[in-house]
Amino acid sequence: DTAVSQTPKYLVTQMGNDKSIKCEQNLGHDTMYWYKQDSKKFLKIMFSYNNKELIINETVPNRFSPKSPDKAHLNLHINSLELGDSAVYFCASSPTVSDSYEQYFGPGTRLTVT
Amino acid sequence: AQSVAQPEDQVNVAEGNPLTVKCTYSVSGNPYLFWYVQYPNRGLQFLLKYITGDNLVKGSYGFEAEFNKSQTSFHLKKPSALVSDSALYFCAVRVPYNFNKFYFGSGTKLNVKP
Repeated sequence: DTAVSQTPKYLVTQMGNDKSIKCEQNLGHDTMYWYKQDSKKFLKIMFSYNNKELIINETVPNRFSPKSPDKAHLNLHINSLELGDSAVYFCASSPTVSDSYEQYFGPGTRLTVT
Repeated sequence: AQSVAQPEDQVNVAEGNPLTVKCTYSVSGNPYLFWYVQYPNRGLQFLLKYITGDNLVKGSYGFEAEFNKSQTSFHLKKPSALVSDSALYFCAVRVPYNFNKFYFGSGTKLNVKP
């Protein structure tokens, strides 16, 4: 009965590779997000989708491309991985675009680029 | 620019003592304010939020927070700390009509010692 799930939990890869992280929510929410948490625990939003439409696209390298095949899924594809991409990536969802709603976070994907 | 500040990287408190984790914000308009907790190797969990109404809001695990508009603060409090409260705490603000964007503080590590 996991609410927001991410796969994989850990991802170790070499520089230059392309990798994807998947996210699924079974809460019936309309809005999903990707966040990056760096080694100092600072949390920064990357993207947000509402009903499969991109609504937030922060200053993120073009190597990062989100894809939302449906409301329940938001995947993150990263091309040409760099050392600086090492971080924990969190997926989150919220019920609607309404500002009063909190977000529900997945367990995170720890990406290590060597 | 919108911002959220958590002035203390770390807060140490003895079990049974009251705790306060500070948060101040700088946003235009009337913000919605949130507190989240992150346990090691886990995603963020929602604790409580202020949307409107009573300035003192109560949340999960005995936590509460007080919204102070004049001081633009939203400090998290608990009357009696538990060792199990030890975790990383994030304050977040959401600005109405700003495309779902959350602004997170840098996090405060709470250490509760027996």
